[in-house]
Amino acid sequence: QSVLTQPPSVSGAPGQGATISCTGTSSNIGAGYAVHWYQQLAGTAPKLLIFRNTDRPSGVPDRFSGSKSGTSASLAISGLQAEDEADYYCQSYDNGLRVSVFGEGTKLTVL
Amino acid sequence: QVQLQQWGSGLLKTSDTLSLTCVVYGGSFHDYQWTWIRQSPGKGLEWIGRIFRTGTTDYSPSLESRVTMSLDTSRSQFSLKLNSLTLADTAVYYCARANGGVELDAYFDSWGRGTLVTVSS
Repeated sequence: QSVLTQPPSVSGAPGQGATISCTGTSSNIGAGYAVHWYQQLAGTAPKLLIFRNTDRPSGVPDRFSGSKSGTSASLAISGLQAEDEADYYCQSYDNGLRVSVFGEGTKLTVL
Repeated sequence: QVQLQQWGSGLLKTSDTLSLTCVVYGGSFHDYQWTWIRQSPGKGLEWIGRIFRTGTTDYSPSLESRVTMSLDTSRSQFSLKLNSLTLADTAVYYCARANGGVELDAYFDSWGRGTLVTVSS
């Protein structure tokens, strides 16, 4: 069981939006550590999507946005496209475990 | 545009030692943390450890008794060794560049393609 909790799956119709939550504790997100998000397409390595809670690397569409509050963070995707179907992971640092930690992943299905 | 290319042994037996190497093309080798992450169906993504350009290492407490990381700055390469393998070590192993200086909550902005390591008895 992962330290960061994500819903196993979310779905949405093309053009609609979807939100993926990432819930942590006072040892990680709540301690002020940044949250980062990754997209993993089937059979490929994870790709950085959001870093430091809200920043997007160059080349990532502004349909993807991140937020953080308290012990939780969220990834919002607007204007869903078929190519957005993937697994999404949040990541932070846990000062109790002394490791970078990942969420279990959320599978996004575009209906 | 930085690229990470990795290689190493993919089929091993229990008690063997896993050995993987990652070479970095493009970008500076000296300004980042160089990390290894693995992904197995049962445990998701798991951070194994990191190495700095100075050679200083930081390992996951759950693996540190079995892990050794090293680097060769002249070749822009870094390596992972994991000994006393068990079936639970079966996973896809990724090398990755961690961006964020010496920060603990660095993010992984470049990844290798991954190496499937299968441990059998």
